[in-house]
Amino acid sequence: QVQLQESGPGLVKPSETLSLTCTVSGGSISSYYWSWIRQPAGKGLEWIGRIYTSGSTNYNPSLKSRVTMSVDTSKNQFSLKLSSVTAADTAVYYCASDYYDSSGYYYFHWGQGTLVTVSS
Amino acid sequence: SYELTQPPSVSVSPGQTARITCSGDALPKQYAYWYQQKPGQAPVLVIYKDSERPSGIPERFSGSSSGTTVTLTISGVQAEDEADYYCQSADSSGTFVVFGGGTKLTVL
Repeated sequence: QVQLQESGPGLVKPSETLSLTCTVSGGSISSYYWSWIRQPAGKGLEWIGRIYTSGSTNYNPSLKSRVTMSVDTSKNQFSLKLSSVTAADTAVYYCASDYYDSSGYYYFHWGQGTLVTVSS
Repeated sequence: SYELTQPPSVSVSPGQTARITCSGDALPKQYAYWYQQKPGQAPVLVIYKDSERPSGIPERFSGSSSGTTVTLTISGVQAEDEADYYCQSADSSGTFVVFGGGTKLTVL
């Protein structure tokens, strides 16, 4: 059973860069797709983007200019960087494994989520 | 940008049937998935490929699709089903994931 765990600062100052890491256990990170999804308090889910273990990425067009994802297969980890953050980026951030088949991408396994607050 | 539209809330009495809809222009081309989210928890997949049920999900959960609308049906609703439900699909290219705004299911 794949397990995911997010880690990173819970507080980020406005205009700075949010950085999170997701550690995968119970399986290899290789040859799979991995996504970041966020949820502001009391609001819905927003897909941020995905990375394949080759390093190829797809980003939500609304966030693309500020998002960078990377993967470290030696550590079984993948990471998110979101630059120039504002209060609107305050949210619970989830990492998740993309299950991909002919029907599309969807999510069986999620991390527990980590709250990131943007405030000075 | 592509959007999926869900009703903000649905209310139903225990034992009744709840139906939650999700509309989007690309749904005739792209499959839909449904997640249940309880407070303070990560979402849980309850339906995939429009109507398939993952292992461990009760049979009272079912899904259907018709044109630009997909529907999550919960038959014989139980108190434990009270949660937020999100549909998920992709844009017409199949690359970019989109979530609906979520529907709060209240069990009266």
